Amino acid sequence: GENVEQHPSTLSVQEGDSAVIKCTYSDSASNYFPWYKQELGKGPQLIIDIRSNVGEKKDQRIAVTLNKTAKHFSLHITETQPEDSAVYFCAVGSGYSTLTFGKGTMLLVSP
Amino acid sequence: DGGITQSPKYLFRKEGQNVTLSCEQNLNHDAMYWYRQDPGQGLRLIYYSQIVNDFQKGDIAEGYSVSREKKESFPLTVTSAQKNPTAFYLCASSGTGGRNQPQHFGDGTRLSIL
Repeated sequence: GENVEQHPSTLSVQEGDSAVIKCTYSDSASNYFPWYKQELGKGPQLIIDIRSNVGEKKDQRIAVTLNKTAKHFSLHITETQPEDSAVYFCAVGSGYSTLTFGKGTMLLVSP
Repeated sequence: DGGITQSPKYLFRKEGQNVTLSCEQNLNHDAMYWYRQDPGQGLRLIYYSQIVNDFQKGDIAEGYSVSREKKESFPLTVTSAQKNPTAFYLCASSGTGGRNQPQHFGDGTRLSIL
C-alpha cells in the first residue's frame, strides 16, 4: 500500500517568515495531493489540493508544489501569521476514493 | 448551511460496552468515511462507504462496525472487541466520479474509557 512520510513533525517560525512542509510518497500511480489544516479540537479543513497533471498551485499565501519524478510535494506558507498556527496534514490519493495521510506537522507562529 | 455533523462531541465507554458514534451530512455526497486519530499520528481509515447499503473495511476495521442505510448517515459502532478505543474519531464525506474528490470533515467525537 501507499506510504506517506511528512517532515518536519514540528516547525516554529516568527511571524512574517515562510514555512515549508514536505511529504514523500511511494506509489508512482498516486495522482491527488491535498493539504489539510487542523485546529485544536476541530476536524481537518482542506486548504489546498493539487493533481498530478499540475506542478504548482497557489492560493493567496499558500502554495503547493509537486515533483512527480522524485515523488514528493510541499506546502509553502508565506508571510505567516499567528492564526496559521495549527497541525497540517498532507494526504495522497491514487484515483479511488480513499486517501493515505501523513502524520502531521505542528506549526507554531510566534508574534 | 451544508456540512457534516458528528455527535456526541465527547463520549465515555465502560468496559464491555458497545457505543455508537453518529455522523450526518447534508452535502449530498455519495461517499462517507470514518477515521481514527491518535496523538501525534495521522488519520487512519476505519471504514468507508461509496454508496448506500455498501461499505468496505479500511486499514484498522477490527473491533468496529458500520451501517449505511441512508445516503446522509454513516454511524460507527465501537464494539467491546476494540481493546484500545480511546481516540479522536473523525467522519468525512466526498463526492464520487472516477477520481479522488476533496473530503470534508466533521469536528469529531472524542471517546474515552471509564
